Amino acid sequence: GEDVEQSLFLSVREGDSSVINCTYTDSSSTYLYWYKQEPGAGLQLLTYIFSNMDMKQDQRLTVLLNKKDKHLSLRIADTQTGDSAIYFCAESAYGGSQGNLIFGKGTKLSVKP
Amino acid sequence: DSGVTQTPKHLITATGQRVTLRCSPRSGDLSVYWYQQSLDQGLQFLIQYYNGEERAKGNILERFSAQQFPDLHSELNLSSLELGDSALYFCASSPRVLPTDTQYFGPGTRLTVL
Repeated sequence: GEDVEQSLFLSVREGDSSVINCTYTDSSSTYLYWYKQEPGAGLQLLTYIFSNMDMKQDQRLTVLLNKKDKHLSLRIADTQTGDSAIYFCAESAYGGSQGNLIFGKGTKLSVKP
Repeated sequence: DSGVTQTPKHLITATGQRVTLRCSPRSGDLSVYWYQQSLDQGLQFLIQYYNGEERAKGNILERFSAQQFPDLHSELNLSSLELGDSALYFCASSPRVLPTDTQYFGPGTRLTVL
């Protein structure tokens, strides 16, 4: 079945770049997503990438997709304390005839001043 | 603000009880999804409705049910509640069910079962 895996924790210093990694199993996934969840809040869509793309850049965010290895990463440039949150990688299960998202467990990013 | 609203924000109840969670999708969105977030299971898909009809089912218990009304709002009913049902319940909406349709999430309802 589909599965999405992420490392649970990442700690960086303010101003450094953060790289959050994710692996997925469903090769038919059409879209892959990054969501951010701040403490006590809901999920905020950060960005997504279509499976025929290798890279997508959106301001401080860069998404890299290695479809062969089923590896997705999110790079946050010039990380700020406000970026401290849990980041979820998700794949669309559309290839499995459902429209729902399958989430990883989330990576907790801690940014130290 | 995603445009998806959920009520109530917090709900505290006892084991064995029944509760109803409500979701209003973004204006124009026909598809509604329900997800459960718990510490041990993470974020799990429960059920999806599209234009009033059930579209897909995930890890939803038989004690749970949902529906989508003609005005497109949705309700998730949880009955015979157990301690393990304590979790954050999210609703999300999208225009249709295509992979090109991004899901936008509501703020969630935190359910505590005592």
